[in-house]
Amino acid sequence: AQSVTQLDSQVPVFEEAPVELRCNYSSSVSVYLFWYVQYPNQGLQLLLKYLSGSTLVKGINGFEAEFNKSQTSFHLRKPSVHISDTAEYFCAVSESNYQLIWGAGTKLIIKP
Amino acid sequence: KAGVTQTPRYLIKTRGQQVTLSCSPISGHRSVSWYQQTPGQGLQFLFEYFSETQRNKGNFPGRFSGRQFSNSRSEMNVSTLELGDSALYLCASSLSHRAEEKLFFGSGTQLSVL
Repeated sequence: AQSVTQLDSQVPVFEEAPVELRCNYSSSVSVYLFWYVQYPNQGLQLLLKYLSGSTLVKGINGFEAEFNKSQTSFHLRKPSVHISDTAEYFCAVSESNYQLIWGAGTKLIIKP
Repeated sequence: KAGVTQTPRYLIKTRGQQVTLSCSPISGHRSVSWYQQTPGQGLQFLFEYFSETQRNKGNFPGRFSGRQFSNSRSEMNVSTLELGDSALYLCASSLSHRAEEKLFFGSGTQLSVL
């Protein structure tokens, strides 16, 4: 069965430092991969997605993610975070049947 | 263009009652999906509707049901509420039901069951 693991429930990082949020999934077939962000008291919005092609995907707000098929990972990175990046980040995976499987989320905590 | 609208924003109910949540998708979007979000559990898929037909259903008991109207608006109903049903219920809409489609989420309905 398909599953998504976000290895860290919280990631504290200093402002202007780089960050990586980890996501691993289990699936034996081709998948689509997504990162969504949820700012406090708001709904989720799409950061980026991988469907096919280049394994390095660039998204909004300076975020990027790299798809690694052999390691079944889709880690999210940003070279320099800002206080406005404080939010919860969700990794999600979809096979062809539409249903998205979600990770438990990672809270990004920016320290001034 | 208006975003996804969910009403009400907050609900307080007691065990055994039933509740109906409403979701108005972005204009032109025909697919609506529902999720339950609880702290530390991420999002759990409830069901997805496209053109008034339920296309997918998650692993929730039959107390959870939904429907979609001809204008793509959707409602979700939970009967015989239990304490464990307390959660943020999110609705998302998209243009189609394809797996690669971007989802647009509402702000959710926070349900508290006492």
